[in-house]
Amino acid sequence: EIVLTQSPGTLSLSPGERATLSCRTGQSVSSSYLAWYQQRPGRPPRLLIYGASRRATGIPDRFSGSGSGTDFTLTISRLEPEDFAVYYCLQFGSSPPEYTFGQGTKLEIK
Amino acid sequence: EVQLVESGGGLVQPGGSLRLSCAASGFTFSNYWMSWVRQAPGKGLEWVANIKQDGSQKYYVDSVKGRFTISRDNAKKSLYLQMNSLRAEDTAVYYCATDSGDYYIDQWGQGSLVTVSS
Repeated sequence: EIVLTQSPGTLSLSPGERATLSCRTGQSVSSSYLAWYQQRPGRPPRLLIYGASRRATGIPDRFSGSGSGTDFTLTISRLEPEDFAVYYCLQFGSSPPEYTFGQGTKLEIK
Repeated sequence: EVQLVESGGGLVQPGGSLRLSCAASGFTFSNYWMSWVRQAPGKGLEWVANIKQDGSQKYYVDSVKGRFTISRDNAKKSLYLQMNSLRAEDTAVYYCATDSGDYYIDQWGQGSLVTVSS
């Protein structure tokens, strides 16, 4: 069973600050299999990062992803008001080809 | 522009059945794996099921195995989720989504709310 652990559960920061969100997998995975999403209230998730570090089309460069093995990070360099939302990591499991989401990190305005 | 439009949600009693549909447009539907993802009120995202381009492979999260069936009609560019023996814990917004082909889910519909309650 794939288990993803995101931390912290809630992160309180101010606009202009740097945010660092963590996603830890239960076993080492290929970087190709790790993605990040943003979800604002009442909206579907929005793809931010795939392949652990590749920005999706139209995503501002203040969003970056990094990591390998079991530890992955989403960094938002300078928070804008619209960045306050919930963030999820997603892992693809190749055999069988299924997906698992982390439990989410809520980024709130301090 | 990719569009995924879910329909078929609503209120159903425990033990009942419901069929969700997802109408796709703006891309070559038959070229992509497709998924259903759900989100219970105030909770996180949970992947539910996916289906290969030709429908020959289907996978499910353990909690819905034997109760839910994913299917597709490539001629109609539509994805379906037949949900039987529904439980209160199946209450959620159900999203239709495309598998990118590169190990992540990329496009999402707006979601359809399913409420299981007596």
